[in-house]
Amino acid sequence: NAGVMQNPRHLVRRRGQEARLRCSPMKGHSHVYWYRQLPEEGLKFMVYLQKENIIDESGMPKERFSAEFPKEGPSILRIQQVVRGDSAAYFCASSPSQGVLTEAFFGQGTRLTVV
Amino acid sequence: QKEVEQDPGPLSVPEGAIVSLNCTYSNSAFQYFMWYRQYSRKGPELLMYTYSSGNKEDGRFTAQVDKSSKYISLFIRDSQPSDSATYLCAMSAGYQKVTFGTGTKLQVIP
Repeated sequence: NAGVMQNPRHLVRRRGQEARLRCSPMKGHSHVYWYRQLPEEGLKFMVYLQKENIIDESGMPKERFSAEFPKEGPSILRIQQVVRGDSAAYFCASSPSQGVLTEAFFGQGTRLTVV
Repeated sequence: QKEVEQDPGPLSVPEGAIVSLNCTYSNSAFQYFMWYRQYSRKGPELLMYTYSSGNKEDGRFTAQVDKSSKYISLFIRDSQPSDSATYLCAMSAGYQKVTFGTGTKLQVIP
């Protein structure tokens, strides 16, 4: 049973480009959480999704950021018109049911660098 | 003031030492208290979690929660070089949104 898969592991984008980060949850998991980790900072909650639904996006910037978790395929975190301040590690976690992260597993993260 | 405060370290200890890692928090609604271990360039890995107050032990690891003081601790006995990592405390009021500390970097010297 493969763990949570994130790709790419490393992504370099120029300012103004779009970044697409993918997260394939563990088999049987239908809940996905996205977190951002800036250098020397803890993980910051961004968004919580179930299949085809955004449950809580209170941690996501209102502009340029969007997330989806379609019926088929991975969850996607999309950042449009990236800026240097978007450079960070983005982690997703998946869980089999709704609730706190005690049942969730994290992926290895995608490290986004904006140049 | 941050909702969760955690000393970033780094903390260096000799192999075999007892390690004490701590976090304080301000939100009285927090009910779930978690400790994660994160190796460099890896995702966080859940070590232990506690619901409400009390202690929990798992092998060399002991988690303690003191809700009256809004203070949680993780103790590592007989520390090993393989314990060298960043340790993140995390808390939740019971919803999907979890608040993390900034992490304490631990180095266990052989």
